[in-house]
Amino acid sequence: GAVVSQHPSWVICKSGTSVKIECRSLDFQATTMFWYRQFPKQSLMLMATSNEGSKATYEQGVEKDKFLINHASLTLSTLTVTSAHPEDSSFYICSARPNRGLGSPLHFGNGTRLTVT
Amino acid sequence: AQKITQTQPGMFVQEKEAVTLDCTYDTSDQSYGLFWYKQPSSGEMIFLIYQGSYDEQNATEGRYSLNFQKARKSANLVISASQLGDSAMYFCAMRLLMDSSYKLIFGSGTRLLVRP
Repeated sequence: GAVVSQHPSWVICKSGTSVKIECRSLDFQATTMFWYRQFPKQSLMLMATSNEGSKATYEQGVEKDKFLINHASLTLSTLTVTSAHPEDSSFYICSARPNRGLGSPLHFGNGTRLTVT
Repeated sequence: AQKITQTQPGMFVQEKEAVTLDCTYDTSDQSYGLFWYKQPSSGEMIFLIYQGSYDEQNATEGRYSLNFQKARKSANLVISASQLGDSAMYFCAMRLLMDSSYKLIFGSGTRLLVRP
């Protein structure tokens, strides 16, 4: 159990366009989802915490207007990279966890590799 | 400051041997948790093992065990009987509660290569 699905797995877009990434919890409800960004050969950096029915909480240094997060239901969060530029090219990974106590791990989607040309 | 440190950028191990991946952490919280994840070249994050700060026994999951030394603030991952499929990036992560919000922060990772 505890499967997180992320779509698309990869996307190439032109500079100036927007890209939407979807994250779904398939077999559990997630009031909170997390978006991470990973540069090549580096660690995962938390970008924001997505809260169902309310505004996302962004980490310091993450532009809210650049990375729009919507968490409209208990099973779906979306990240939209607006007016993408080549420096936004990265690996984006979403995650969520069932509410089974603090020891239950985050389950991750398979990630989205974004390339902005 | 809350921080996770992995000092080994890369490690080699011979197939069937055991290997220890180091992880130290820094937090002033009394309640926290430590996770290890594996990331193969395909990119997915695979949960391996968890240790809670109040757990008195070291966690074990199959070939994975966590050497938890609370006083030293270390949570090293031990992989026994290494297999070729263990070659991957390994991340140590710490679970925090900040302003009542759950947060997971990651170390820089260790790339493990298992030699046949």
